[in-house]
Amino acid sequence: QVQLVQSGAEVKKPGASVKVSCKASGYTFSSYGISWVRQAPGQGLEWMGWISAYNGDTNYAQKLKGRVTMTTDTSTSTAYMELRSLRSDDTALYYCARGCDGGSCYLDYWGQGTLVTVSS
Amino acid sequence: EIVLTQSPGTLSLSPGERATLSCRASQSGSSRYLAWYQQKPGQAPRLLIYGASSRATGIPDRFSGSGSGTDFTLTISRLEPEDFAVYYCQQYGSSPDTFGQGTKLEIK
Repeated sequence: QVQLVQSGAEVKKPGASVKVSCKASGYTFSSYGISWVRQAPGQGLEWMGWISAYNGDTNYAQKLKGRVTMTTDTSTSTAYMELRSLRSDDTALYYCARGCDGGSCYLDYWGQGTLVTVSS
Repeated sequence: EIVLTQSPGTLSLSPGERATLSCRASQSGSSRYLAWYQQKPGQAPRLLIYGASSRATGIPDRFSGSGSGTDFTLTISRLEPEDFAVYYCQQYGSSPDTFGQGTKLEIK
């Protein structure tokens, strides 16, 4: 069965960086893309970007460009999302989700979420 | 970017009733590239509908999606107790992908 298992909760200070991992199993990793979506406490869903697990192509949300980097390691079927220069409004639950290889897509399997707290 | 507006913000209904949730796009993206998700407290979103009207694997047939262009609807024909949750629409026809703000379906 398809599973996405994310790394554990993180507490960071403003200005620091965080790197969240998402380990996939139960499907051919390189045949799909991975999107990252975040959810601030009590708020809705915000799309952060997408990466192709086939060739590493990326598409980032404009507001995060320059601060976010998404990568994959096909040898371990793991996707990563790094966010730099953290601010308090980056405090959120971060999800990875499986999408299409070709870019924008519906998201059929989701990780359990990783809580990132930014606080001094 | 395409802005999705969901209505109503909160819908109060009883089990057994019919629920109709709306998602309106600020402009027409790529026709029917619209998905619906259900999210319960403490859980990740779950895909219900993609391509505006196709049910995802394992989704009961009481859930149906319709619409095209800028107006889309999620219908739950007869509410079960487990259906009370927050529902989000997502458009993926025009980059960046965007989500609606959500509709909370609560027990009346």
